[in-house]
Amino acid sequence: GAGVSQSPSNKVTEKGKDVELRCDPISGHTALYWYRQSLGQGLEFLIYFQGNSAPDKSGLPSDRFSAERTGGSVSTLTIQRTQQEDSAVYLCASSLYYRDTQYFGPGTRLTVL
Amino acid sequence: AQSVTQLDSHVSVSEGTPVLLRCNYSSSYSPSLFWYVQHPNKGLQLLLKYTSAATLVKGINGFEAEFKKSETSFHLTKPSAHMSDAAEYFCVVSPPMDSSYKLIFGSGTRLLVRP
Repeated sequence: GAGVSQSPSNKVTEKGKDVELRCDPISGHTALYWYRQSLGQGLEFLIYFQGNSAPDKSGLPSDRFSAERTGGSVSTLTIQRTQQEDSAVYLCASSLYYRDTQYFGPGTRLTVL
Repeated sequence: AQSVTQLDSHVSVSEGTPVLLRCNYSSSYSPSLFWYVQHPNKGLQLLLKYTSAATLVKGINGFEAEFKKSETSFHLTKPSAHMSDAAEYFCVVSPPMDSSYKLIFGSGTRLLVRP
């Protein structure tokens, strides 16, 4: 079946611009995660959504980062006023339920010039 | 705090020889442990996971890992390397008391397989 999809696959933006990254989880998966993979920091957790519960935002690096999940399915990660240190690959993962195996999408490579 | 340490940033083996990728974890409780693999320009793929059912865990593509509580280790092994195994491997822990079950990744080990 279809896996986790992310769009765009690549995004180049100028410093100070806002960007939106999209994640389509596997159909029926209730849990959705965002991670960031960067050269300096490795792979790190950003945010977690589970059903209609309040999200776990403990990994967001600054208030320029926000995310929402509409209708319990698609999620959008928004970065406002992008900085060069935001350059990274942003990965989305979903799982059928809490504590189940997480399946990852191919990622969005963000480059901030 | 939960963490994992991957002891080697790079490992190079010849095709057909055994693979050993080392991982040590730090956890106050019995953790959930995983190995994920990332091929170039591809997403992360789960190789195997340990969730306290059995200490020797078999995964995909001939990989296996053994949970050793006394050594706080979860090393990944494969008897015979194949060229297609060349990739980056991540040892991962999920804190058992964490309400979000987020994954905490090691720094990764890049496996090179020589012909």
